[in-house]
Amino acid sequence: EDQVTQSPEALRLQEGESSSLNCSYTVSGLRGLFWYRQDPGKGPEFLFTLYSAGEEKEKERLKATLTKKESFLHITAPKPEDSATYLCAAPSGGSNYKLTFGKGTLLTVNP
Amino acid sequence: KAGVTQTPRYLIKTRGQQVTLSCSPISGHRSVSWYQQTPGQGLQFLFEYFSETQRNKGNFPGRFSGRQFSNSRSEMNVSTLELGDSALYLCASSSKPDTEAFFGQGTRLTVV
Repeated sequence: EDQVTQSPEALRLQEGESSSLNCSYTVSGLRGLFWYRQDPGKGPEFLFTLYSAGEEKEKERLKATLTKKESFLHITAPKPEDSATYLCAAPSGGSNYKLTFGKGTLLTVNP
Repeated sequence: KAGVTQTPRYLIKTRGQQVTLSCSPISGHRSVSWYQQTPGQGLQFLFEYFSETQRNKGNFPGRFSGRQFSNSRSEMNVSTLELGDSALYLCASSSKPDTEAFFGQGTRLTVV
């Protein structure tokens, strides 16, 4: 069964304290790994797509990387406005459009 | 370019009733997917439609159904509501296979 697992479940950082979130997956024939940000009560906001091991994408203080078994979301010098739940997902079940999501990492950045 | 629009944003229903949720995808996107999000289970796939045909279905009971219209707009219906159906229902649209899905703001359904 395809699975996406995120760790840690929650992470509390001080402003400026860099860290990384992990997403490990067991999806046969990976066809992409997606990162989303979700604020309370809102829909997930797309951040990045990664397709092959070694690929990296950056956006402001965020950088996503992909290996054959996991992906990392690195947050450099975070600010309080980076506080959110970060979700990763992968197409699974043999479907191009069905996404299996991890449970997410709740990031809190304190000023 | 307008994003994915879901209506209504909030809904309160009584156990046993039925409900219909609506989703308008991004213009040009023909694939529409629905997800249920709860604190305990996270985001779970309900079903996906493309060109008015349901192509994929998740592990949900038959009380959950949907349809897609010729303009790609989609509706989701839940019949005989149960307390456990209380959740944030999210709709997403995509343009091509294995590319990112863009989500709407969701409909918060509360069953009392």
